[in-house]
Amino acid sequence: RKEVEQDPGPFNVPEGATVAFNCTYSNSASQSFFWYRQDCRKEPKLLMSVYSSGNEDGRFTAQLNRASQYISLLIRDSKLSDSATYLCVVNRGGNNRLAFGKGNQVVVIP
Amino acid sequence: ETGVTQTPRLLVMGMTNKKSLKCEQHLGHNAMYWYKQSAKKPLELMFVYNFKEQTENNSVPSRFSPECPNSSHLFLHLHTLQPEDSALYLCASSPRTGDTDTQYFGPGTRLTVL
Repeated sequence: RKEVEQDPGPFNVPEGATVAFNCTYSNSASQSFFWYRQDCRKEPKLLMSVYSSGNEDGRFTAQLNRASQYISLLIRDSKLSDSATYLCVVNRGGNNRLAFGKGNQVVVIP
Repeated sequence: ETGVTQTPRLLVMGMTNKKSLKCEQHLGHNAMYWYKQSAKKPLELMFVYNFKEQTENNSVPSRFSPECPNSSHLFLHLHTLQPEDSALYLCASSPRTGDTDTQYFGPGTRLTVL
């Protein structure tokens, strides 16, 4: 089983719609979770950390389900500028070692 | 943004060449990382340095040789690479190697090995 699994998509989303995707992780001892955003041919940038209680940042909502070992990201009112690949990232613990998923590619369509 | 810079941005080299990638961070961080991002694959951690000391080598072949002279600079020396080493090499830094320390990435060096 891969450490972090994501459905790469692409997810074609009409502008203004809501899109949600999950990622699963294999290491039950993982403590820290993140969503990074990576634009085409650019570096990954932190979008948001994911907390046990769930958290929201504007149009973005992240959830963590430790029992089922998955993390979700929901984007409301999608904008064209949201088109990117969203990377699910799990901290393996020790040395700040991050494990990345392949990413969910989102394409927002006018 | 110029928090983490990398040079060169593009590099084409032959299998017998020796080259070096450079990373510099201007964020006052103490931890630095090298990652490899190949097409259709997730980012792979290669090396971790904390306060100039290597604390992680993720089973990276010896043709990749990292060097960290101080907390602000990180190099990746390359020699006798293979075509399958062609990838985007990303440097990152974080305040420390704590599990909640956010990593900030540089723009990467896109490497092609002929």
